[in-house]
Amino acid sequence: NAGVTQTPKFRILKIGQSMTLQCTQDMNHNYMYWYRQDPGMGLKLIYYSVGAGITDKGEVPNGYNVSRSTTEDFPLRLELAAPSQTSVYFCASSYGEYSNQPQHFGDGTRLSIL
Amino acid sequence: AQSVTQPDIHITVSEGASLELRCNYSYGATPYLFWYVQSPGQGLQLLLKYFSGDTLVQGIKGFEAEFKRSQSSFNLRKPSVHWSDAAEYFCAVGAMTGGSYIPTFGRGTSLIVHP
Repeated sequence: NAGVTQTPKFRILKIGQSMTLQCTQDMNHNYMYWYRQDPGMGLKLIYYSVGAGITDKGEVPNGYNVSRSTTEDFPLRLELAAPSQTSVYFCASSYGEYSNQPQHFGDGTRLSIL
Repeated sequence: AQSVTQPDIHITVSEGASLELRCNYSYGATPYLFWYVQSPGQGLQLLLKYFSGDTLVQGIKGFEAEFKRSQSSFNLRKPSVHWSDAAEYFCAVGAMTGGSYIPTFGRGTSLIVHP
């Protein structure tokens, strides 16, 4: 059972560089989410998707972009990395039609911008 | 809009002692409630969930939680804590927002276990 897989696990970027955080799930979940986690701040929703071809902004979308071309994949792109984007990023998925369904999380990507 | 408050940032207990982590929510209808645990360097794992019915729900790893509508609370409990329970615990409320299911998380409570 792979569940939700995130790559890479760690990355160091220079200011102004760009990169894509990958997220894949094999549970046929329609909903997928990207969160960032900063110390003592819990999880902040960046973007979410309710199905292939549909995405929407969450609480903190500035500086990020997403796409959802397939049910399985939901990559997160940082175009111009800034120190404020240093964080741990989590991808999650769920059967979203039913709000009583829990989310399944990946192990996270730890990103440092220097 | 819904919200979740976890009033305790850190909780310290001795191994073998009982544990209660507090969670208060704000939501206009019957909420769907969750507790997740995050071990260091890991993603979040579901401990238990409440949908309806019995207000005392059992989860994995010996945890339980009680839903109290009158207090808007969903506190997590464990009768005897083990050192391996040291982790970050998150309470979440699931609700439909604008036609989409967007869970709201509390800020988390860090559990420290002394031997």
